[in-house]
Amino acid sequence: DGGITQSPKYLFRKEGQNVTLSCEQNLNHDAMYWYRQDPGQGLRLIYYSQIVNDFQKGDIAEGYSVSREKKESFPLTVTSAQKNPTAFYLCASSIVSANNQPQHFGDGTRLSIL
Amino acid sequence: SQQGEEDPQALSIQEGENATMNCSYKTSINNLQWYRQNSGRGLVHLILIRSNEREKHSGRLRVTLDTSKKSSSLLITASRAADTASYFCASPNDYKLSFGAGTTVTVRA
Repeated sequence: DGGITQSPKYLFRKEGQNVTLSCEQNLNHDAMYWYRQDPGQGLRLIYYSQIVNDFQKGDIAEGYSVSREKKESFPLTVTSAQKNPTAFYLCASSIVSANNQPQHFGDGTRLSIL
Repeated sequence: SQQGEEDPQALSIQEGENATMNCSYKTSINNLQWYRQNSGRGLVHLILIRSNEREKHSGRLRVTLDTSKKSSSLLITASRAADTASYFCASPNDYKLSFGAGTTVTVRA
């Protein structure tokens, strides 16, 4: 079955530590996205990538970094510069980067501070 | 930036009843999408309605779009316990989507 796999499901970060969240898709989609979801709130876009080797900042990119070296992979690093990292992180993909395309989501990674 | 806003924030209904939630957005759009999120899971795409459509159906779901009022509604008919979830509207924002804060629907048995 095609889909998006996020790992790990739960992640704990110590002070001053960088952590990397994995996102892999086998849908052959060009576009991939990272969102942050806080309790009772909508999704806020962190970074997105329209194609391999290209990515753009979203609305809340500070303290985060990404890479897109392969079409199927879009890892997100939460750096120590992100002072409030506790949240639910969702990865998504779409066939192309267009606002009239449905996005397919993984089941998220919940990040907490130790 | 958040374009769409859902109303109400939360809704509790009896199994078999209908549930209606609304979405308002700020700028002109070419389409609007609705998604469902079960607790602790990712979002699932439900339906996309284009700006030249006024109503669209998918199973027990009915979506309307009123571009003059910049609003959309999602109706779930004959609700079931499995419909318990949060529902989000998503409106276009350049090449991306902007999601509202969602409506949490609880269906009581």
